[in-house]
Amino acid sequence: KAGVTQTPRYLIKTRGQQVTLSCSPISGHRSVSWYQQTPGQGLQFLFEYFSETQRNKGNFPGRFSGRQFSNSRSEMNVSTLELGDSALYLCASSSASGRVAEQFFGPGTRLTVL
Amino acid sequence: SQQGEEDPQALSIQEGENATMNCSYKTSINNLQWYRQNSGRGLVHLILIRSNEREKHSGRLRVTLDTSKKSSSLLITASRAADTASYFCATDPRVFRLVFGQGTRLTINP
Repeated sequence: KAGVTQTPRYLIKTRGQQVTLSCSPISGHRSVSWYQQTPGQGLQFLFEYFSETQRNKGNFPGRFSGRQFSNSRSEMNVSTLELGDSALYLCASSSASGRVAEQFFGPGTRLTVL
Repeated sequence: SQQGEEDPQALSIQEGENATMNCSYKTSINNLQWYRQNSGRGLVHLILIRSNEREKHSGRLRVTLDTSKKSSSLLITASRAADTASYFCATDPRVFRLVFGQGTRLTINP
């Protein structure tokens, strides 16, 4: 099976712009989670989707949003970018429908905000 | 805030030695997982231990869990250069999300 893929791998944006990141989960996985990783805050949970429904959301401002499509692919959007949004954004998929189980991570998208 | 705290933050050992990393967490959990991350790349799942388990093995990895102390340890035996990475514990204090610790940066010296 192909692993979790994320596009693009690298992105450079300027403050005030918006960005959309994409994640394709492992075939058959219906749960997709997003995490932000920074040197200062570490790995922080953004949101989780299952069958197009957001089941949980982390403590991030409304500028961060996401969605999941019927084929389980997911996108996250960050509007009005700030310098502090520079981070590695990781997507993970899981086959579990209930409680959290093993997560399979993609390689991440490195976002730099100038 | 982080649920898990890894200790030590950094660890440097010689190839062939054993490496032990510890994780403490704050609230009750359903399971605890350990992940490895190589230099700014995606995380790789290593092992999952359920709250009713005390010890689990996988190859050169041994994980223990003490729910009374809210702590876990990861032991890597006979370390190799390829084990150089950051190691994170992750807990699930709430359903449908994982909370990660800050990680232990492990360096294996040849």
